[in-house]
Amino acid sequence: EPEVTQTPSHQVTQMGQEVILRCVPISNHLYFYWYRQILGQKVEFLVSFYNNEISEKSEIFDDQFSVERPDGSNFTLKIRSTKLEDSAMYFCASRNRPNTEAFFGQGTRLTVV
Amino acid sequence: AQSVTQPDIHITVSEGASLELRCNYSYGATPYLFWYVQSPGQGLQLLLKYFSGDTLVQGIKGFEAEFKRSQSSFNLRKPSVHWSDAAEYFCAVGATGGSQGNLIFGKGTKLSVKP
Repeated sequence: EPEVTQTPSHQVTQMGQEVILRCVPISNHLYFYWYRQILGQKVEFLVSFYNNEISEKSEIFDDQFSVERPDGSNFTLKIRSTKLEDSAMYFCASRNRPNTEAFFGQGTRLTVV
Repeated sequence: AQSVTQPDIHITVSEGASLELRCNYSYGATPYLFWYVQSPGQGLQLLLKYFSGDTLVQGIKGFEAEFKRSQSSFNLRKPSVHWSDAAEYFCAVGATGGSQGNLIFGKGTKLSVKP
């Protein structure tokens, strides 16, 4: 069964460093998303991406965040200068058309120290 | 604004007992509704979804949920819980139409199963 793949599964970084979280969505999917889940809290929407551009973003997704689809398979989330409060589980999701369910990856646990 | 409320933070049931996890949503139009399950250290797995049609939907692992528009609810049920069902369960609402498709999640209900 096709699945969304995220790497790495766990990343530890120092405050102020840049991190790139990587995702390989399901191959025929066109809509891509990042969500995050701070420990013990609910899953929150960050950004949606379609047709090589951001289609919607939340208040969380400030100038420190960016997304990119550098080739036909990867979808990345970059945090330019990490803060302690960026520590969370980050989930990538994708779907092939509107009004269908999104498939989530296993997540990347980001720990900022 | 869209929102999802899961009033129970933690529920403990005995193995073999029935289960109902509550979910209420606030959304101005017809919502898309989902239940996801997250095992410790794992990602989000879709249990079931409601888009339209029959208001009682069947999912994986023996779960079902019923959409009640009048109550703005989408409660998850299972007639007999197994120890492997211990996990965190998230209800989510999605916008109908359009291409955004971002989901609004509830805070989750952690399910513990007693032997």
